[in-house]
Amino acid sequence: KNEVEQSPQNLTAQEGEFITINCSYSVGISALHWLQQHPGGGIVSLFMLSSGKKKHGRLIATINIQEKHSSLHITASHPRDSAVYICAVNSGNTPLVFGKGTRLSVIA
Amino acid sequence: DAGVIQSPRHEVTEMGQEVTLRCKPISGHDYLFWYRQTMMRGLELLIYFNNNVPIDDSGMPEDRFSAKMPNASFSTLKIQPSEPRDSAVYFCASRSSSGANVLTFGAGSRLTVL
Repeated sequence: KNEVEQSPQNLTAQEGEFITINCSYSVGISALHWLQQHPGGGIVSLFMLSSGKKKHGRLIATINIQEKHSSLHITASHPRDSAVYICAVNSGNTPLVFGKGTRLSVIA
Repeated sequence: DAGVIQSPRHEVTEMGQEVTLRCKPISGHDYLFWYRQTMMRGLELLIYFNNNVPIDDSGMPEDRFSAKMPNASFSTLKIQPSEPRDSAVYFCASRSSSGANVLTFGAGSRLTVL
């Protein structure tokens, strides 16, 4: 079993829809990261969080440490949000352990 | 800073050839990571360095893979001899141990071994 599980694997949404991507992990962590990978391959760090909630524009990330679960929300989705969203965790200075990613397609 | 710089961006080679991928981390970052990404397995850590010293190479698939970091501004990942199953995108990433524990990725090197 992967230490980091994401769901769904694939997601198609209509423009304007509210989107939720989930991440569950099985190990103790010090931080959870959400990454975005656009077609063309570049990977960008969106959030790093260890508790509570963070917001950046239309993106919101939440984490529940007790339940070992995090969600990434996108409000008012847009075709340019189409990408692969990757959840990753680490403990202290250990390397990130990645989920397999969620492929999001937002259709106009 | 120009970010993490990788070269080449694309490489097509024939089975058995040597492949060398290069990475320049962000200046001042003391951690450097090499990852491989495939459709089947997603992102996998191959090796990482701290202050130019290899810390964990347990992700390196086999002896055909080797990585070096001769100084703080340069690292190489070498595959010799290459095989078709090595075809993947190889990412280099760096971060600083001080401040936020946020990785900065390079644009990746897409390797195709025929």
